[in-house]
Amino acid sequence: EIVLTQSPGTLSLSPGERATLSCRASQSVFSSFLAWYQQRPGQAPRLLIYGVFTRAAGIPDRFSGSGSGTDFTLTISRLEPEDFAVYYCQQYDASPFTFGPGTKVDIK
Amino acid sequence: QVQVVQSGAEVKSPGASVKVSCKASGYTFTGFYMHWVRQAPGQGLEWMGWINPYSGGTSYAQKFQGWVTMTRDTSISTAYMELSRLTSDDTAVYYCARSQLGKVWYFDLWGRGTLVTVSS
Repeated sequence: EIVLTQSPGTLSLSPGERATLSCRASQSVFSSFLAWYQQRPGQAPRLLIYGVFTRAAGIPDRFSGSGSGTDFTLTISRLEPEDFAVYYCQQYDASPFTFGPGTKVDIK
Repeated sequence: QVQVVQSGAEVKSPGASVKVSCKASGYTFTGFYMHWVRQAPGQGLEWMGWINPYSGGTSYAQKFQGWVTMTRDTSISTAYMELSRLTSDDTAVYYCARSQLGKVWYFDLWGRGTLVTVSS
């Protein structure tokens, strides 16, 4: 099973600042099979990024993904009020498809 | 409107079973896999398995093999997840989530979740 770890656990930032979230895999994620999700309180997760880099439909371009192998990054270039939420990475290279424990982005 | 609508909250006793439904609309039900993901209170996301609505084929995470069953009824575009021998550890929100056919197991459409509470 591929274990994902995310850092930091909590990121305290102000609106307009840049957020950099990390996701590390216990073994290499081949074929760029890594996705990112946003979950706001009381809501279902929402797909942001798949295939490491590709934004899902309707996702603003302030969200970007990068990385390869075992190290991946989600960057939010300028935080908007609605971006304060929990973010999860997910690998879909190998079953079971696992999620990281999440990074909470909260308002400083 | 493309959406999946889940059944309502459930309260079950330990040892009982629960069956959660997920009704698809606005897209071809048999053209996408349906997955189930759960989230215990204040915790992260845990993938449970998938069903191919076209064939009825399933694949479960090893942890859930033997006590989860995923089925579907194509006549009403609905997928089901049944979990048996419930314990308090199964208290969670259960989500259905869609993925495209092929080895692209990311989830582009989610239901709003069904809270299952296991309590004596």
